Amino acid sequence: GQSLEQPSEVTAVEGAIVQINCTYQTSGFYGLSWYQQHDGGAPTFLSYNGLDGLEETGRFSSFLSRSDSYGYLLLQELQMKDSASYFCAVSYEGGKLIFGQGTELSVKP
Amino acid sequence: EAGVAQSPRYKIIEKRQSVAFWCNPISGHATLYWYQQILGQGPKLLIQFQNNGVVDDSQLPKDRFSAERLKGVDSTLKIQPAKLEDSAVYLCASSLGPGLAGGPRTDTQYFGPGTRLTVL
Repeated sequence: GQSLEQPSEVTAVEGAIVQINCTYQTSGFYGLSWYQQHDGGAPTFLSYNGLDGLEETGRFSSFLSRSDSYGYLLLQELQMKDSASYFCAVSYEGGKLIFGQGTELSVKP
Repeated sequence: EAGVAQSPRYKIIEKRQSVAFWCNPISGHATLYWYQQILGQGPKLLIQFQNNGVVDDSQLPKDRFSAERLKGVDSTLKIQPAKLEDSAVYLCASSLGPGLAGGPRTDTQYFGPGTRLTVL
């Protein structure tokens, strides 16, 4: 079957850097996506890795290593508004997404 | 550009009652998804439509859940009869298309605000 593992909670201070890891057990997937979801809100697309390596989008970067079945989301210069849940998701042919359980990030002043 | 619209935003029903949710995807998006998100968990795909055809409904509890997208635009998801464990947020998402390996990305999913269902 398919499974993704993420830490359930991460806490960091404003201005810091935080890394949210995602390990998976699956095969034949197209890529790894990351979504942000504020409490009571809709999941919002952040980043996608179709190939191994680092993708950078402003303060957010995402990394994928297929050989290690591992990826991460890196958030720099943390702001209070970054407090949210972050989900990794593997995508398959046809666009199907399988989500992890999510990591709740708390940013403290 | 308008986002994915869903209604109602909240619904409270008693077990064994029926309920329906509506979704209007982003204009021009051929692919539509329904997800169930239980509190504290990631979204779980229930059904995927490509235009008005079903692509994947392997995780849809077909004894009580049904969904349709008759004209390839709006979609409805129905639960009949509801159970306590159906309490969740039901999210609708849409994308331009299914995406092809090596081609331009068309499968980024855009989510609506969801419908929070409480079954008492």
